[in-house]
Amino acid sequence: GAVVSQHPSRVICKSGTSVKIECRSLDFQATTMFWYRQFPKQSLMLMATSNEGSKATYEQGVEKDKFLINHASLTLSTLTVTSAHPEDSSFYICSARLTGTEAFFGQGTRLTVV
Amino acid sequence: AQSVTQLDSQVPVFEEAPVELRCNYSSSVSVYLFWYVQYPNQGLQLLLKYLSGSTLVKGINGFEAEFNKSQTSFHLRKPSVHISDTAEYFCAVSSSGGYQKVTFGIGTKLQVIP
Repeated sequence: GAVVSQHPSRVICKSGTSVKIECRSLDFQATTMFWYRQFPKQSLMLMATSNEGSKATYEQGVEKDKFLINHASLTLSTLTVTSAHPEDSSFYICSARLTGTEAFFGQGTRLTVV
Repeated sequence: AQSVTQLDSQVPVFEEAPVELRCNYSSSVSVYLFWYVQYPNQGLQLLLKYLSGSTLVKGINGFEAEFNKSQTSFHLRKPSVHISDTAEYFCAVSSSGGYQKVTFGIGTKLQVIP
C-alpha cells in the first residue's frame, strides 16, 4: 500500500517555542492531506484539511494562527505549532489521500511541551 | 454530516476466543467504511475497508467485517484472537465523494487475556 511518513515521531519542546511536523507521501502524489489530533484515551479529531497550493481548511474550534499548515507540494505538508504550551501536548497524525480511494496515515508525532 | 458510534469502549476476551467489535454509522450520503488498529504510541494501521461490492470484507491479521446497509453497521470480527491483537480499534467513515474527510469513532480497546 501507499506509504505516508511523518517526522519527527517524538518531540519535546519548551513552552513558547514553535515546532514543525512534516508529513510526506513517499510513493504517491497526495492532492489532499489531513491533520488530526488525538488526546489520551480519545479518538482522532480532524484539525484541518490541506490541499496542495491552497490555504488549509480548519475545523471549527481550531486556531489557524496557532496551527500553521503548509502544503507546498504534492508530497509534503507541514504542521507548525506556534508558541506551544503544555495544553498543546498531544499525538498528532497526518493522512494523505490517494485519488479515488481512502487516505493513508502516518505513524504520528508525540508532542510534549514542557 | 456523518458520525460513527462504537458501542463498546473496552472488550476483554480470552485468547483463542472469537470477538466482535461493534460499529454503527450515520450518513446522508454513500459511504466508505474502515477499521483501523492502533498500537500504543503508534499511528493507525488499516485493517480493512469497504468501498463497494461484496458486503463481507476480509482484512489483515484474520479480521473481517460485514457491511449492513439496512442496519447501518460495520461490525468487526475475528474467530480466534491472539495476545498480539491487544490494541485500540477505530471504526471510521468517509463520504464516497469529495475530499473524503474521515470521521472516527471513539475507539474500542480490545484486551486479550491469556
